[in-house]
Amino acid sequence: DVKVTQSSRYLVKRTGEKVFLECVQDMDHENMFWYRQDPGLGLRLIYFSYDVKMKEKGDIPEGYSVSREKKERFSLILESASTNQTSMYLCASMGAVGTEAFFGQGTRLTVV
Amino acid sequence: SQKIEQNSEALNIQEGKTATLTCNYTNYSPAYLQWYRQDPGRGPVFLLLIRENEKEKRKERLKVTFDTTLKQSLFHITASQPADSATYLCALDDNYGQNFVFGPGTRLSVLP
Repeated sequence: DVKVTQSSRYLVKRTGEKVFLECVQDMDHENMFWYRQDPGLGLRLIYFSYDVKMKEKGDIPEGYSVSREKKERFSLILESASTNQTSMYLCASMGAVGTEAFFGQGTRLTVV
Repeated sequence: SQKIEQNSEALNIQEGKTATLTCNYTNYSPAYLQWYRQDPGRGPVFLLLIRENEKEKRKERLKVTFDTTLKQSLFHITASQPADSATYLCALDDNYGQNFVFGPGTRLSVLP
């Protein structure tokens, strides 16, 4: 059974903290994505990676960075968390472009 | 600017009827389009993929059409059931093929 696992289901952090969201996939997929999902705004792409150590900005990269040191792991970093980064964060992986994407269960992050 | 729109934020239909959801896009030239189902508090789950050279795809009670001239995809659920109640998202690749972006989703409620 294919799997994308996000490190936390729920997370509460303080303003200004550095936050790490981890995502691991076991399908040997090249492509991995980080999205945030907010009511009325849908899924918005933050960053994606098509290979180890490669990263590309999505639509809303400001305030975020990513790391992909190993093929199976894609980390999202909030350098200095702010309340407007309170959201549901979703990680996805995809094999070849044009095939289905597999999502993790999501991390609901609250910044107080 | 690039845009993906789904016909309505919410759609209510009676059990047994056919639900039709619409996805329209602007300033994209996708090679494929996908449909996902998302239940509350969970990540999206892949349903169907249709390529630009395909007019129609079916899977059990689901049917997807893709009209690249109209820049539109229609998603049909026949003989709908209350268990089909969820948010349905369309997604397509951007013009560079390595990335894919989502529409805002339509929340479908099938009433018994």
